[in-house]
Amino acid sequence: SQKIEQNSEALNIQEGKTATLTCNYTNYSPAYLQWYRQDPGRGPVFLLLIRENEKEKRKERLKVTFDTTLKQSLFHITASQPADSATYLCALRSYNTDKLIFGTGTRLQVFP
Amino acid sequence: EPEVTQTPSHQVTQMGQEVILRCVPISNHLYFYWYRQILGQKVEFLVSFYNNEISEKSEIFDDQFSVERPDGSNFTLKIRSTKLEDSAMYFCASREGQSYQPQHFGDGTRLSIL
Repeated sequence: SQKIEQNSEALNIQEGKTATLTCNYTNYSPAYLQWYRQDPGRGPVFLLLIRENEKEKRKERLKVTFDTTLKQSLFHITASQPADSATYLCALRSYNTDKLIFGTGTRLQVFP
Repeated sequence: EPEVTQTPSHQVTQMGQEVILRCVPISNHLYFYWYRQILGQKVEFLVSFYNNEISEKSEIFDDQFSVERPDGSNFTLKIRSTKLEDSAMYFCASREGQSYQPQHFGDGTRLSIL
């Protein structure tokens, strides 16, 4: 069956370090992979989208990689700040559908 | 920056009652969606809507659910006879016309069924 896995345990890092979050998927051929940020009681906020034929995308302090051989995406936040503390969601979409399939999310806590 | 807005932010309803959740998508967007998130669980797809009709729906979206775009700005989700298990956050999303564009989400309506 199709599965999307993100680290269920919280990731705790010190301010200024790089946070790396992982999204693994099985039995799935995504055309697009998207990363969202979700704060408690709020909706997902779009961060980055990467297509199947792209290896890497960057936006300011954010970087996402997409390895379709490993079936994995990595999401990096460089020079992390306490304000980056949130849950980060990975979402996949195939070519033949418009729906997003979400992972469970990884909670990031950045300590000063 | 344009955003998806949802009302109300919190809706409390007795089991068996009808409820309508409202959304105003981003104005130039063409595709509209409803998702839900039960407390502590994943965000789940309910339905997508394009050109005034449903384009895709999940198993969750049964006959008790319906969607409508009554005018050029609003997009609504109706649950005809609510059940306890309908309690969740309901998110509306929209995207532009090109398939590679991302979906943008509202802040949701927390639906509590008593």
